[in-house]
Amino acid sequence: DADVTQTPRNRITKTGKRIMLECSQTKGHDRMYWYRQDPGLGLQLIYYSFDVKDINKGEISDGYSVSRQAQAKFSLSLESAIPNQTALYFCATSDVDASSYNEQFFGPGTRLTVL
Amino acid sequence: SQQGEEDPQALSIQEGENATMNCSYKTSINNLQWYRQNSGRGLVHLILIRSNEREKHSGRLRVTLDTSKKSSSLLITASRAADTASYFCATADSGSARQLTFGSGTQLTVLP
Repeated sequence: DADVTQTPRNRITKTGKRIMLECSQTKGHDRMYWYRQDPGLGLQLIYYSFDVKDINKGEISDGYSVSRQAQAKFSLSLESAIPNQTALYFCATSDVDASSYNEQFFGPGTRLTVL
Repeated sequence: SQQGEEDPQALSIQEGENATMNCSYKTSINNLQWYRQNSGRGLVHLILIRSNEREKHSGRLRVTLDTSKKSSSLLITASRAADTASYFCATADSGSARQLTFGSGTQLTVLP
């Protein structure tokens, strides 16, 4: 979905390096999410944010941190990358309007490889 | 942990046939959604069914929900090669639906 963009699209890094993945959206949605997908598996929620001042841990937040710089921007950081963080990372947004029932819109993903 | 579990994990059919995928979940839900993912791409929302609904249609898609059995099915009729993708169910937790919990997906291959 072109309304949700992620940078970089691909990144190869070494163990111990700090990495930041960025997500921007033009949908005007308040809610933003970071997910991780491992090969052949579904998505696991890392962090989510319902507005700039509201950050919540997901099921696999250890080793990750996030920053909600503005309504439209939500960044995911790996403070010290390790090989088992090699995965596909997705950002998603949803509308706070209750009638939307949390339908989510996904970015194209960032493929991260930690050597 | 995965809330939804899809069955089968992989499905291969001929073009024109129908494809049925099933999803089971464990807890009370606000709604259940189906998403599609082309290889290496982001997920795309297909259809949402609320907990008080039993069946929903959208084009060639038909979704059913049985809350007593905590299960849902996605039927794609008259499949096309372009339907080849992974399909995921996702459940929104009951009440505020703050989070979605995704299943592990069904890989559908439609042979021309």
